[in-house]
Amino acid sequence: GQQVMQIPQYQHVQEGEDFTTYCNSSTTLSNIQWYKQRPGGHPVFLIQLVKSGEVKKQKRLTFQFGEAKKNSSLHITATQTTDVGTYFCAGPEGGSQGNLIFGKGTKLSVKP
Amino acid sequence: DGGITQSPKYLFRKEGQNVTLSCEQNLNHDAMYWYRQDPGQGLRLIYYSQIVNDFQKGDIAEGYSVSREKKESFPLTVTSAQKNPTAFYLCASSIGSGSSYNEQFFGPGTRLTVL
Repeated sequence: GQQVMQIPQYQHVQEGEDFTTYCNSSTTLSNIQWYKQRPGGHPVFLIQLVKSGEVKKQKRLTFQFGEAKKNSSLHITATQTTDVGTYFCAGPEGGSQGNLIFGKGTKLSVKP
Repeated sequence: DGGITQSPKYLFRKEGQNVTLSCEQNLNHDAMYWYRQDPGQGLRLIYYSQIVNDFQKGDIAEGYSVSREKKESFPLTVTSAQKNPTAFYLCASSIGSGSSYNEQFFGPGTRLTVL
């Protein structure tokens, strides 16, 4: 069946270092969403990418959707302790109209 | 405040008992979802409902049941048939039905432990 894979599973960085998580889908996606879950919390929507090659920025966070619309990345510049949490990508089942399929997430820890 | 509420936050259950998790939203969303989250795992869809009085099985529906009698409410029952029910359960909603373009809003979750 359709899979949404994320790497790495865990990432430990020193505060101030950059961080990147990668998301790959086994099928072409009409859109991809990113969520952040703080420790002990619930997922919170960050952004949605729709267009091939799209790049969106939110302060220190940069999101990219691949040209083939099968992969995406989230890059955080100069991490802070507030960035700690698990970052999930999610794409629609069947590629376009189905329910969201979530990746297993990348858990980020930041050492001050 | 608009949002999704789940209760209780922590729930302990004896093996063999059914238990119902509450999920209420006042966002006027049509679609509602139940996910299960295990350590190191992503979110797995249990059931979803795109409109009142209708719901569909997700990927791991066995041992669970739901109802959608009101737009605001989507309770989940974990039955004794669920072999490994200890997990973190998340309820979510989205504005429209049948579209993956809608962001999902999550409740705070219920952590269920079976003793």
